[in-house]
Amino acid sequence: DIVMTQSPLSLPVTPGEPASISCRSSQSLLHKNGHNYLNWYLQKSGQSPQLLINLGSNRASGVPDRFSGSGSGTDFTLKISRVEAEDIGVYYCMQALQTPLTFGGGTKVEIK
Amino acid sequence: QVQLQQWGAGLLKPSETLSLTCAVYGGSFSGYYWSWIRQSPGKGLEWIGEIDYTGSTNYNPSLKSRVTISVDTSNNQFSLKVTSLTAADTAVYYCARGACSGGSCSSADWFAPWGQGTLVTVSS
Repeated sequence: DIVMTQSPLSLPVTPGEPASISCRSSQSLLHKNGHNYLNWYLQKSGQSPQLLINLGSNRASGVPDRFSGSGSGTDFTLKISRVEAEDIGVYYCMQALQTPLTFGGGTKVEIK
Repeated sequence: QVQLQQWGAGLLKPSETLSLTCAVYGGSFSGYYWSWIRQSPGKGLEWIGEIDYTGSTNYNPSLKSRVTISVDTSNNQFSLKVTSLTAADTAVYYCARGACSGGSCSSADWFAPWGQGTLVTVSS
């Protein structure tokens, strides 16, 4: 199975400031078709996870442009250009290159 | 806008069988992978498996011997059964729509949307 490792576990943020979360995979997620099969999800308190980014860098429908995904191969980053209060929650990365599909352990983003 | 609504028993005893159903409203049923994912404090998010509208399935090998996912295309529903439950199966279970990036794909490339989740507790 592909192991997904996120850091940090917890990220205190200040509204208006940028934030960054790292995700590393145990195998390259770059397919021969040129896509990286890496997704980012946000789970707000008491809610189901919601898709933010697919294929490494594509924002899902309705996701604000302050969210961006980057990286390739085994190292990926989710960046929030200016954190807003509504962005707090737990962020997960997930690989979809091969089954079983696997998730990172999550990064809890909270307001300082 | 596609919505997924799920239901099923929330309190079960060890050795019993978990049974959940997820209904899909407002969108096409074909062309997607209909998936089950669970979340527990100990193991985080865990992909259980998926089914497409033809009935083709993919399962997580760690659960494959105890899991069955089925589809009812006439009612736009899909279901999950997990047998021989233990306390380790206690989790919030989610259904989700799995989409592909295009062309032929062998499993979901991402999940959106997700159902509301069902807490399943296994306790004697």
